[in-house]
Amino acid sequence: EPEVTQTPSHQVTQMGQEVILRCVPISNHLYFYWYRQILGQKVEFLVSFYNNEISEKSEIFDDQFSVERPDGSNFTLKIRSTKLEDSAMYFCASSYSGTSGRLGYEQYFGPGTRLTVT
Amino acid sequence: AQTVTQSQPEMSVQEAETVTLSCTYDTSESNYYLFWYKQPPSRQMILVIRQEAYKQQNATENRFSVNFQKAAKSFSLKISDSQLGDTAMYFCAFMKRGAQKLVFGQGTRLTINP
Repeated sequence: EPEVTQTPSHQVTQMGQEVILRCVPISNHLYFYWYRQILGQKVEFLVSFYNNEISEKSEIFDDQFSVERPDGSNFTLKIRSTKLEDSAMYFCASSYSGTSGRLGYEQYFGPGTRLTVT
Repeated sequence: AQTVTQSQPEMSVQEAETVTLSCTYDTSESNYYLFWYKQPPSRQMILVIRQEAYKQQNATENRFSVNFQKAAKSFSLKISDSQLGDTAMYFCAFMKRGAQKLVFGQGTRLTINP
């Protein structure tokens, strides 16, 4: 069964450094998402991406964050200048469609990348 | 804004027992979807079951079923004949129809004991 994959599984970086988290969504999916989960807190939506542009973003997703689909398979989240509070598990997800089509709205998640900012 | 609340941070039952996880949500929307996701210790979040709000019939997937009470804004998950492999974090989630954002609850850590 197709799966969403993410690399790396764990990333350690120093405050102020740039990081890029990578995801390979399920191949026929059209919508892509990033969520994060700070330890002990809820999973929070960051951004959704469709047709090569951001379709929705949360207030968390400020100018320090950007997303890109550099080729036909990868989907990346870049944090330009990491802060201590960016330490979290980052989950990528994909869905066939964000609309109400049968089964199209279900989001499939990757295993996550644990980002530790020191 | 929508909120999802899971009032049970942790639960523990014996193998083969039935367990019910609670979830309540708050929304002014009438068309939406509700989900239960399972996150085993290996971390991959897996969709367990989904419910469309316009459907009155409760969703069922094998040993997993929901009790959807739209007026009460309640969406509980029942796991029958629980198995050791059901040990995981369970998240309840809400999505407005036509939107893309999932809103999650805090999660319930479920442990199935042998």
